[in-house]
Order: sequence, then structure tokens, then C-alpha cells
Amino acid sequence: NAGVTQTPKFQVLKTGQSMTLQCAQDMNHNSMYWYRQDPGMGLRLIYYSASEGTTDKGEVPNGYNVSRLNKREFSLRLESAAPSQTSVYFCASSDSLAVGRRTQYFGPGTRLTVL
Amino acid sequence: GIQVEQSPPDLILQEGANSTLRCNFSDSVNNLQWFHQNPWGQLINLFYIPSGTKQNGRLSATTVATERYSLLYISSSQTTDSGVYFCAANAGGTSYGKLTFGQGTILTVHP
Repeated sequence: NAGVTQTPKFQVLKTGQSMTLQCAQDMNHNSMYWYRQDPGMGLRLIYYSASEGTTDKGEVPNGYNVSRLNKREFSLRLESAAPSQTSVYFCASSDSLAVGRRTQYFGPGTRLTVL
Repeated sequence: GIQVEQSPPDLILQEGANSTLRCNFSDSVNNLQWFHQNPWGQLINLFYIPSGTKQNGRLSATTVATERYSLLYISSSQTTDSGVYFCAANAGGTSYGKLTFGQGTILTVHP
């Protein structure tokens, strides 16, 4: 099992450009998440999808959109990138319906720089 | 929303020493997890522990939900334990997965 995979690993954008970060999981998890991590800080939730077909805002959703394409895939889109969106982006998944097994599993991250 | 505070912010140990990391949270929780972020940035889950005590090798964790804190114990530390330890929690009554992370404890273990 690959677990949670993310593409790309690195990306440099100019202000105003758009891009989509891709995430896929092969653990048959129902819930998926997007976080950002800024230097010296913990992770902050951007959006999450509790189950296929649903999405909801997290702590810092402004400037982002998401799509839960199917049970395996959850993408994050930046429509018009800004320097404030320079960060490391992590995708995660969990089996949130299973009491006692709600651990979140993380992908390797995407390091995004917006110039 | 829920507040999650971790202490200490930094910890430096010699290999073989024991340590305790603390996580305080401001509300009742239905989900609390500990993670380790290694020096290469990878996040690894350590424990899912909204209450009670769990052990995994040299690591153990205890959450006292009624007093709103959790502790992570590392015994006989090794250099590979270095990295950042995060506690994350979500408040009861909200979606289980909507975690709020603490600022982390940076652990450095010297040989």
C-alpha cells in the first residue's frame, strides 16, 4: 500500500497563477483533509471531506477550493495564488467512522512557493 | 474553537534520557492524537488517545479528559526520536476529523 500520496512534491508559482494539488489514498478511508504548515507553526486545517460527496471549511479556507473526486482522491485548488499561500501543504485521510481507529495518516507534503 | 497548548516548546536530551511532553486543551474532546514530524518533514501518527493510557514500545501516552490534558512519555530516548511532536484535538460535538494542532514541542536528542 502506498498510503497517502501527493503531487507535486515542489512547486513555484507567480502571484496570480492557479494550480491544483492532488492527493490520493489507497486505505479505503472515508474522510480526507488538507492542511497547511507555516514555518515554526503547527498544522492548520484548510478543508476537509468527511465522506465522498461532502466537503466543509476548516480554519483557513479563504483562497482555496476543493474537490472530492471520488473516495480515493481529494484535490486542493488555488485559483489566484498569493505570496501568503507560500507554505507546505499536507493531505491526510482517516477512517472516521471506526471508533478507536480515527487516526489521521499524512502524505509527504507539497512545498509551495508563491513569488 | 478549541485551544491546544503544548509544553515545553523545546527540549534537549542526551541519548538514554526520559522525557514527558504535555498537551493542554480548552474543551472536552472526542478525538486527540499525537504525531511525530521527523527532520525530513514526514508526519507519523503515534497515538489516537481521547482518553486512557496506551503504550507502544518506548512511547506511551495518557489522556485525562476530565482535567483536559494529555501526556506523551518517551523513555530511553534515541537520536531518531528527534523532531517535532504535535498534539491535535477536536471538541466534542464537532466533526471527529476537524483537528486543531498545538504549536509542537521540538525535541533534540544528542548522542
